Order: sequence, then structure tokens, then C-alpha cells
Amino acid sequence: AQSVSQHNHHVILSEAASLELGCNYSYGGTVNLFWYVQYPGQHLQLLLKYFSGDPLVKGIKGFEAEFIKSKFSFNLRKPSVQWSDTAEYFCAVYAYNTDKLIFGTGTRLQVFP
Amino acid sequence: NAGVTQTPKFQVLKTGQSMTLQCAQDMNHEYMSWYRQDPGMGLRLIHYSVGAGITDQGEVPNGYNVSRSTTEDFPLRLLSAAPSQTSVYFCASSYVSPGETDTQYFGPGTRLTVL
Repeated sequence: AQSVSQHNHHVILSEAASLELGCNYSYGGTVNLFWYVQYPGQHLQLLLKYFSGDPLVKGIKGFEAEFIKSKFSFNLRKPSVQWSDTAEYFCAVYAYNTDKLIFGTGTRLQVFP
Repeated sequence: NAGVTQTPKFQVLKTGQSMTLQCAQDMNHEYMSWYRQDPGMGLRLIHYSVGAGITDQGEVPNGYNVSRSTTEDFPLRLLSAAPSQTSVYFCASSYVSPGETDTQYFGPGTRLTVL
């Protein structure tokens, strides 16, 4: 069955530190990949997506992610985090043959000034 | 344009009670989904609909029913509430499958507690 793993459950960083959140999925076919973010008290919004083309994709607020097909990974990165990046981050994978968008368990990021 | 609206925002139920969570969208989206969000488990798809009159099961459908009589509304029914259904429920909509678009809109959520 299709699954999405986010191994970092809770990450604590100081402002200006670099961020990398892992996302791995288990499906060998064609996929679309997403990172969603949920700021405190708000509902989910899209951070970035990969459908095809350049495997390095850039999203809002300085975030980027790299799709490495051979590793079934889609890790999220940001060179320098800010306090306002405190949120929960969800990786999601869509497999074309199931027509379902499966979310990972989420990573809670806390950034301290 | 209100987007995706959900009612109620909060609800407390006793075990065995039934209730309906309401979801409506005014964007003429064909695709609507219900998710539950639990700590450490992320979002899990309960049921979804690809258009009026068409629904299908997601990852965790047991204990929930849905119907889609209109494009705008997609209510989620809990038939006999159980403590395991304590969660935050999100409704979402999009023009096409949420996996094929970057414009899936989420509602504000309903926080449900079952005692």
C-alpha cells in the first residue's frame, strides 16, 4: 500500500539555522509530490509541489524541495529559518493509479528567536 | 466567495450519539474530501467525492457516512460516535483530483470530542 514517511516528528531550531525535513514514500509509479504547511490556528496551505520537470522546486517563503526519484524522497529545505516558520509541515504523495493523496504524519517545527 | 466553510467549529458528543459535520464550498469544485487530523498521524482521508452523486472511501472510512446530493455540499455523518473518533476534521475541495492540482482549498476544521 502507498505510504509516506516523515521521520522528523519534532524539530527545534534557532532563527537563521538551516532546515531540512525528510519525506520518503513507498510507490514505484508516477507520483506528484507536495509539501503543505499548517501555521498555528490556521488550516493547511500549499507550500510547494512537484509534478514533473526540474526536480528542484521552489515554493513560497524561501522554501525549496528536491525530488530524488532513486531514493523515493522529497525533502524540504530552507537555508535560514525565521520565527514565523514555526508550524507543522506535511508531505503528501499522489499516485496516479490510486487517485488518492496520502499525507505523511507531519513534522512540528519550532523556531526560537 | 466564502471558499470552504465547515460547521460547527467545535462539538462535544457522548459515545453512541450521532451527528453530521457540514461542509460547503462556493467555488463550483467537483472534488471534495474529508480528512481527520490526529497527533502523530497526520491527515488521513476518510471519504471523498468526484462529483454530485459519486462518493468513495478513503483510508479510514469505518464509522462515517457521506453523501453528495449537490456540488456545493458534502456532509460527513457519524452514525454512532466513539472516543476513537475524537479528532480534528477538515473538509477540502478542488476542481480536479487534489493530487493533480496545486489548488486544493481546506476548510477551517471541526474539533470533535467524543466522551
